[in-house]
Amino acid sequence: SQTIHQWPATLVQPVGSPLSLECTVEGTSNPNLYWYRQAAGRGLQLLFYSVGIGQISSEVPQNLSASRPQDRQFILSSKKLLLSDSGFYLCAWSSGQSERYTFGSGTRLTVV
Amino acid sequence: EDQVTQSPEALRLQEGESSSLNCSYTVSGLRGLFWYRQDPGKGPEFLFTLYSAGEEKEKERLKATLTKKESFLHITAPKPEDSATYLCAVASGGSYIPTFGRGTSLIVHP
Repeated sequence: SQTIHQWPATLVQPVGSPLSLECTVEGTSNPNLYWYRQAAGRGLQLLFYSVGIGQISSEVPQNLSASRPQDRQFILSSKKLLLSDSGFYLCAWSSGQSERYTFGSGTRLTVV
Repeated sequence: EDQVTQSPEALRLQEGESSSLNCSYTVSGLRGLFWYRQDPGKGPEFLFTLYSAGEEKEKERLKATLTKKESFLHITAPKPEDSATYLCAVASGGSYIPTFGRGTSLIVHP
């Protein structure tokens, strides 16, 4: 069966520090991968998506970047965090276009 | 541009009090409508996919229905463990990336 792992679960980082959140998928190959941010009362905001290794599409300009070094690994990064980067970050995968998502358990990031 | 509006934003029910959540959408060529359940501090969990008007799907106390303009998530005789935020999303021919609504926060009191 397919599983998705996302870590860490919680993270408190000072302003200006770097960030690296990792997401891996097991039990499937060539998944579509996604990073979302969820702010309280504002719904899910798509940050990045990837349809293959090294292929990254950005949905909104921001202080974040994403990479896909392996087929089932998706990384969200920042060189210098801002207070506004605080939020709940979710990784997800789907098997193809317009298919259901399977989400990770999320990372609660607090920038102080 | 696809649009998804969920109502109400929040709903409080007594245990056993049936109700419905609404998801209204505007898309160019619906490819799928999805319902998810999200517990506090966790990622959304998939519930249903609906593809065409008139389709219905059920799971325990939940039943999802679809028309050409909206979807309903009917909750029959809810229990406190049904308390969660319910998210609706649509995928269209214009973009295969689903558009999510803001969700309905459901609280069921014992």
